[in-house]
Amino acid sequence: DAKTTQPNSMESNEEEPVHLPCNHSTISGTDYIHWYRQLPSQGPEYVIHGLTSNVNNRMASLAIAEDRKSSTLILHRATLRDAAVYYCILRTYNAGGTSYGKLTFGQGTILTVHP
Amino acid sequence: GAGVSQSPSNKVTEKGKDVELRCDPISGHTALYWYRQRLGQGLEFLIYFQGNSAPDKSGLPSDRFSAERTGESVSTLTIQRTQQEDSAVYLCASSFGLAASYEQYFGPGTRLTVT
Repeated sequence: DAKTTQPNSMESNEEEPVHLPCNHSTISGTDYIHWYRQLPSQGPEYVIHGLTSNVNNRMASLAIAEDRKSSTLILHRATLRDAAVYYCILRTYNAGGTSYGKLTFGQGTILTVHP
Repeated sequence: GAGVSQSPSNKVTEKGKDVELRCDPISGHTALYWYRQRLGQGLEFLIYFQGNSAPDKSGLPSDRFSAERTGESVSTLTIQRTQQEDSAVYLCASSFGLAASYEQYFGPGTRLTVT
């Protein structure tokens, strides 16, 4: 699977925007970029995903570079509840058009939000 | 609607005993996944099911680990002759299908402690 690289940790203040970067220089044309987060003592939670175009949902926005070698998860106004480990994951299609199924989690970025 | 549920939430067992961990996926989700998270570490993929079939068992750590799924419903992860290194949170997830565009929904996990 193609690898992703994220900073180990980032900090933000409450109600400020947060930009979480992810590098994936070996991404292939059929890799989806997924973001999950894990709050303390909970299972991971889906945040957003995209293929080529920028994406928005109620939780966040995903900005994908034109060459797709990097992406940025944007939390528009951080809250204390957004403090979590954020994982950037690539999910690959096989030749049959379905993914291999599993999510391969790296170490992620620990986001700390200060009141 | 109901999310992914797992039972028990906590399990303490003696080394050498067998344990069974249960996962109830979201109704209608054909794909089901098991992951493991050791204390302070990232998630490791164990196995996934598409319906009853388990196409990828590559993540199972040893032959002491097995899993089954009945219909497109409940799955059980069994660990035989537990060892202390099996202590971890075991997480189950389900998704509508295997396609890379589908998100995975995680349960709260079962915390296994082997003494």
